[in-house]
Amino acid sequence: EVKLVESGGGLVQPGGSLRLSCATSGFTFTDYYMSWVRQPPGKALEWLGFIRNKANGYTTEYSASVKGRFTISRDNSQSILYLQMNTLRAEDSATYYCARDGHGRFAYWGQGTLVTVSA
Amino acid sequence: DIQMTQSSSSFSVSLGDRVTITCKASEDIYNRLAWYQQKPGNAPRLLISGATSLETGVPSRFSGSGSGKDYTLSITSLQTEDVATYYCQQYWSTPLTFGAGTKLELK
Repeated sequence: EVKLVESGGGLVQPGGSLRLSCATSGFTFTDYYMSWVRQPPGKALEWLGFIRNKANGYTTEYSASVKGRFTISRDNSQSILYLQMNTLRAEDSATYYCARDGHGRFAYWGQGTLVTVSA
Repeated sequence: DIQMTQSSSSFSVSLGDRVTITCKASEDIYNRLAWYQQKPGNAPRLLISGATSLETGVPSRFSGSGSGKDYTLSITSLQTEDVATYYCQQYWSTPLTFGAGTKLELK
């Protein structure tokens, strides 16, 4: 069974940093691209970026809204995906989901972790 | 970036209705279109990919159609469990982009 479990969310002050984790199981982690998607309360889904699989060198791509502030990485030995978020703003407040990326489609999602950026 | 426009942000429906939700891309996305269902407090659920291919376990009352820039999600005979918000998403090019969502509400 494919499982994705996010952790690391919480309350952080504007300008602060946070690292989210996504522990995965039930599939060969290195075979898949992995993405982060966020959703502000009551709003739409927003793709943040992905990290490619082993065959594609684990390279990354990001949306313009987070490029330069957020970094996606992966620990392939433990099948964990990370999202390092720096210089956080109020508009980054959202539920953050990790998702297994199947050629751009997301059939598997975590349950989400809530990040609140507020003084 | 490819913009995805869902023409209705919400509409009222009745059980048993046939519902059609539309999604328009700002350019041709060559059927690289997915539909998701999301209920409050839950992660999205992938319903359809490739514009028309139903995911395993999705009831056959759901169907997708379209090509080029214009796509639709149809639900025949709406059930209580179908009351949710529906999002389209293009995966023709990065950045991957979602529509704003269409929320179905019971009359």
